[in-house]
Amino acid sequence: DVKVTQSSRYLVKRTGEKVFLECVQDMDHENMFWYRQDPGLGLRLIYFSYDVKMKEKGDIPEGYSVSREKKERFSLILESASTNQTSMYLCASTLPLNTEAFFGQGTRLTVV
Amino acid sequence: AQKVTQAQTEISVVEKEDVTLDCVYETRDTTYYLFWYKQPPSGELVFLIRRNSFDEQNEISGRYSWNFQKSTSSFNFTITASQVVDSAVYFCALSDADSNYQLIWGAGTKLIIKP
Repeated sequence: DVKVTQSSRYLVKRTGEKVFLECVQDMDHENMFWYRQDPGLGLRLIYFSYDVKMKEKGDIPEGYSVSREKKERFSLILESASTNQTSMYLCASTLPLNTEAFFGQGTRLTVV
Repeated sequence: AQKVTQAQTEISVVEKEDVTLDCVYETRDTTYYLFWYKQPPSGELVFLIRRNSFDEQNEISGRYSWNFQKSTSSFNFTITASQVVDSAVYFCALSDADSNYQLIWGAGTKLIIKP
């Protein structure tokens, strides 16, 4: 079974802090994604990566950066957290892009 | 531009009723893929189905069925004899060449099944 694991289920951070959200998958998938989910807006793509050290901006990359040093790990970084980044963050991975995506359990981040 | 519309924000039914979740999509491509995912209260999205644009056959999996109609650009999802465990948020999504096969998501429909 494919497993996508996010490092935290719940996180509370202060405004201005640097925040790291970690995601690990165990099935050798090339593609990994970070989404944020807000009520009524569905899932919005922040960044994705199709290979180690490769990254592409999604629809809402502002205020975020990513790192993919190893194939199995994709990190989302909030350089200076702000209250409008309070949200549910979901990590996903796939083989080819038009195939089934496997998701982590999500990280609910609150920035105070 | 591509778009996925799930007009029903929230649906509430009593257990054992049938319920249909609507999904309408927009794309200019002739080759595209449609998906449904379920997000239970635990938070993790679970894949339910993928359908490509050349396969208009309806699909049935147990109590779940999907009706794909290209003529109306719809890919609706029906749960027959609903159960409390079906309570979740359901997302419809589209991927096509125009989006570089990234998923375009609907806003989701929250389904509440009352005992």
